[in-house]
Amino acid sequence: QKEVEQNSGPLSVPEGAIASLNCTYSDRGSQSFFWYRQYSGKSPELIMSIYSNGDKEDGRFTAQLNKASQYVSLLIRDSQPSDSATYLCAVSRNTDKLIFGTGTRLQVFP
Amino acid sequence: EAGVVQSPRYKIIEKKQPVAFWCNPISGHNTLYWYLQNLGQGPELLIRYENEEAVDDSQLPKDRFSAERLKGVDSTLKIQPAELGDSAVYLCASSLVSGAGELFFGEGSRLTVL
Repeated sequence: QKEVEQNSGPLSVPEGAIASLNCTYSDRGSQSFFWYRQYSGKSPELIMSIYSNGDKEDGRFTAQLNKASQYVSLLIRDSQPSDSATYLCAVSRNTDKLIFGTGTRLQVFP
Repeated sequence: EAGVVQSPRYKIIEKKQPVAFWCNPISGHNTLYWYLQNLGQGPELLIRYENEEAVDDSQLPKDRFSAERLKGVDSTLKIQPAELGDSAVYLCASSLVSGAGELFFGEGSRLTVL
């Protein structure tokens, strides 16, 4: 079992729709959760972090965390073609090691 | 503010040759990371530095890989000798607070071993 699992996609959504990206993790001691966006040929950039159960909203992005189910998700509202990228889920048990998933490729079509 | 700078961006070498990658982190960031990213995969940590000290090098293949961070600023990652399986993107990242999860990545160095 991988430590951080994501569906590789591609996830295709029409412009204006909600894109839902999911991630599960195996270490129940995980405390910190992150979503990075990576455009093709570029390096990852942090877009969201979440540390406690529930929802955290930032503009069109909402991160959701359920530690009991070991599940974290990212919702992108009003998806735009410019959101087309690979979204990497990253998890940390404490404050010293970040484990990345393989990423989900999102395609937003006009 | 300048971001993380890496060089070279691209490198093509023949197997068994040596190669080195250089990284200059964001000014003031004491924590520096080297990650390896294969196509279609997420980044995998090779080594993490706190200032000039390597605090996590458990995933670094020490038979052929080495890294240094003299003076606690820029860093060099070396592979000698390179193997075909080393073809990947080598990402350098830095963070202001150790382990906080907010990593700033450089553009990466894409290595092709022929």
